[in-house]
Amino acid sequence: AQTVTQSQPEMSVQEAETVTLSCTYDTSESNYYLFWYKQPPSRQMILVIRQEAYKQQNATENRFSVNFQKAAKSFSLKISDSQLGDTAMYFCAFMKGRYGGSQGNLIFGKGTKLSVKP
Amino acid sequence: SAVISQKPSRDICQRGTSLTIQCQVDSQVTMMFWYRQQPGQSLTLIATANQGSEATYESGFVIDKFPISRPNLTFSTLTVSNMSPEDSSIYLCSVARDTLINYGYTFGSGTRLTVV
Repeated sequence: AQTVTQSQPEMSVQEAETVTLSCTYDTSESNYYLFWYKQPPSRQMILVIRQEAYKQQNATENRFSVNFQKAAKSFSLKISDSQLGDTAMYFCAFMKGRYGGSQGNLIFGKGTKLSVKP
Repeated sequence: SAVISQKPSRDICQRGTSLTIQCQVDSQVTMMFWYRQQPGQSLTLIATANQGSEATYESGFVIDKFPISRPNLTFSTLTVSNMSPEDSSIYLCSVARDTLINYGYTFGSGTRLTVV
């Protein structure tokens, strides 16, 4: 069975600074996807960034980037130039599957509560 | 990407009653997922709903407590039956994006359920 671990229940960062959220996972699968989702107080789940396991290059989306270490089963999220609107719960998630195949369910970590301070 | 309309957004219910949550998707999708998020916790999968077949439930969740309907490829309901205060949670539906470029999931806005 797959597991996702987020070891930082809470973190805070000053506005405009950089913060890194950690995530590790355990799986015996060779094909999978990893995601970071953001859940602000509105409780809407918002996809932040996605990484395909078969890609060596780390994914980036504007101020958000990941450090994907497949051998170490690590998938950290870096937020640069933090903004007040980044304040939210951040969930790391795993999905078993391969590119172009059918998608199964997501397995979530427990989340990291990020507070961006002015 | 798919847009999901989920309702109700919140409800306060008496113990012993049932609540049905609806999710309407603006495009046809094969699988829909129902998650529960207990207060301050992560998301836990309740079941996977496929059109035309019975839902597949995860360990710890049973059909009698959480019956699901999936009458077509754009709609699903989750019922929370015979509610107790322990059922107070946020319930979310989700669909998989099927495009190769935009691989991922879209979520409804959630239903915050309080059982008193």
